[in-house]
Amino acid sequence: DIQMTQSPSSLSASVGDRVTITCRASQSIVDYLNWYQQKPGKAPKLLIFAASSLQSGVPSRFSGSGSGTDFTLTISSLQPEDFATYSCQQTYSSPFTFGPGTKVDFK
Amino acid sequence: QVQLQESGPGLVKPSETLSLTCTVSGGSISGQYWSWIRQPPGKELEYIGYIFHSGSTDYNPSLQSRVNISVDKAKNQFSLKLSSVSAVDTAVYYCARGGHGPLDYWGQGTLVTVSS
Repeated sequence: DIQMTQSPSSLSASVGDRVTITCRASQSIVDYLNWYQQKPGKAPKLLIFAASSLQSGVPSRFSGSGSGTDFTLTISSLQPEDFATYSCQQTYSSPFTFGPGTKVDFK
Repeated sequence: QVQLQESGPGLVKPSETLSLTCTVSGGSISGQYWSWIRQPPGKELEYIGYIFHSGSTDYNPSLQSRVNISVDKAKNQFSLKLSSVSAVDTAVYYCARGGHGPLDYWGQGTLVTVSS
């Protein structure tokens, strides 16, 4: 199985901050990397697919980059509704594993 | 707007079979991949498997001996069966659209507790 790791596991930030979350795969996954946002008690929401493609309806303050084994999710200016947990997922090879998540909370 | 809704028992006894159904509305089940994902309390998301509308499937090897995913195109539904459950199978179970690619629509999730 391809192992996915994320850093940091949690971070504290303020509204307006630029936030960067990193996801690393245990082997190359090319650009088969998706990012999800999850709020407590809710289902995950797709933000970014294919490493850098913005899902329809997702604000442009979210962006993704990377290829191979190292990927980044950036929120350019954190908004109150962005406080949540963010998880990456590889869909290069089955089983399509998820990262452990990064929780973004209020500083 | 595609919507998915999970249904099934919220409590299953150890050693029995967990059965859930996902009803798709606002779109056809045909031509798409459909997945099951679970999340144990406080833990990360785990891929269970997917089914294509044609019936071809892919399962997580860690669950493969116990899992079966099927599709009912006439009812626009797909289903999950997980046999011989134990406490470690307690989780929120989600159905989602997608499989060998991003999961773009999700059900709200349903908590299944394994307990006697």
